[in-house]
Amino acid sequence: AQSVAQPEDQVNVAEGNPLTVKCTYSVSGNPYLFWYVQYPNRGLQFLLKYITGDNLVKGSYGFEAEFNKSQTSFHLKKPSALVSDSALYFCAVSRHNTDKLIFGTGTRLQVFP
Amino acid sequence: EPEVTQTPSHQVTQMGQEVILRCVPISNHLYFYWYRQILGQKVEFLVSFYNNEISEKSEIFDDQFSVERPDGSNFTLKIRSTKLEDSAMYFCASRTGGPFTDTQYFGPGTRLTVL
Repeated sequence: AQSVAQPEDQVNVAEGNPLTVKCTYSVSGNPYLFWYVQYPNRGLQFLLKYITGDNLVKGSYGFEAEFNKSQTSFHLKKPSALVSDSALYFCAVSRHNTDKLIFGTGTRLQVFP
Repeated sequence: EPEVTQTPSHQVTQMGQEVILRCVPISNHLYFYWYRQILGQKVEFLVSFYNNEISEKSEIFDDQFSVERPDGSNFTLKIRSTKLEDSAMYFCASRTGGPFTDTQYFGPGTRLTVL
């Protein structure tokens, strides 16, 4: 069965510092990996995805993520955090024969000024 | 930029009542989805819909649930007889008619409260 783990409920980082939000997955076959962000009282906004090719994927708002097949991870990163990045971040996975997204439990990112 | 819209933003209902949640997907999209998020829990897939048929559904999507595309723009989720445990945020999503790897775009959600 497919699953996604986000081991940290919350990540705290100072503005201007680099941030990492962790995600590991379990899926048979090749995974398709996604990051979404949820701001308060808003829906899920797409940030980036990995389908195939270059392991480093760049997305919206300066975010990037690195696919690591050996560690089955897809961590979200940003070189310099902004207070406005504070939100709930969800990692999701699907695979080749379905477009059903399986989500992780979410990680709350708090960026302090 | 086109967006998925959902109405109402918040629906309060009594247990046992029927509710219909409405979504307007992005206009050129062909695949439609419902997900739900119980407070404090992960987002869960309910159903996918393509070419006027359900293409996939989860175990959660039992006979109490149904989906419909009644016209060219709306996509609805009906819960026939609501239960307390149906209280959740319900998200609609849509994507183009391309491969499974196409991005799903989500609406802002409808918060359903069952009393």
